[in-house]
Amino acid sequence: GAGVSQSPSNKVTEKGKDVELRCDPISGHTALYWYRQSLGQGLEFLIYFQGNSAPDKSGLPSDRFSAERTGGSVSTLTIQRTQQEDSAVYLCASSLEGGANEKLFFGSGTQLSVL
Amino acid sequence: AQSVSQHNHHVILSEAASLELGCNYSYGGTVNLFWYVQYPGQHLQLLLKYFSGDPLVKGIKGFEAEFIKSKFSFNLRKPSVQWSDTAEYFCAVKWVSGGYNKLIFGAGTRLAVHP
Repeated sequence: GAGVSQSPSNKVTEKGKDVELRCDPISGHTALYWYRQSLGQGLEFLIYFQGNSAPDKSGLPSDRFSAERTGGSVSTLTIQRTQQEDSAVYLCASSLEGGANEKLFFGSGTQLSVL
Repeated sequence: AQSVSQHNHHVILSEAASLELGCNYSYGGTVNLFWYVQYPGQHLQLLLKYFSGDPLVKGIKGFEAEFIKSKFSFNLRKPSVQWSDTAEYFCAVKWVSGGYNKLIFGAGTRLAVHP
């Protein structure tokens, strides 16, 4: 596609429910990131996929969070048993490679609201 | 742990004023440095980046940044701001040694430029 696509754009859920957020990166991009953006918190790193390497999951805040990337393309971020503090904008970004030409292209984000 | 600090959370300037936004990162090693910008209602986009060579880098829209290795800093500057520079600015660092490859962002600085 022309850019990084995220769905849904908005998600309202009840506390305790599971949610799945989807990211379609730019075709051919080997690197994919998930970040969480909250007011005053900047962009909090969650997880990083690079090619066929094991993902860097060091930013996931708890074991309720998980992500996968199927076939080196589409990625899904899953949050189980959502809590109110999970409310934020979840941003996905992709880049051609993790080297000197790296330039992240961001999606529009998913605004998650946990009631 | 790696971290990126942006000293100013909110900056208010009048048009034609000079701008300098501070960015420091936690420790040394080989780093790639970036500034990203998010204009109101738009995606995050790359403003400029440093990988090697001349520590003074030029970006789009008249922005520049200087890498000072001894100070672990990568401050963003613009001699004369315009109303259209109103946006949120994020510094980001990738440590490329020691297996740390993920891109870490600072908390961001909201810049408001008044006509």
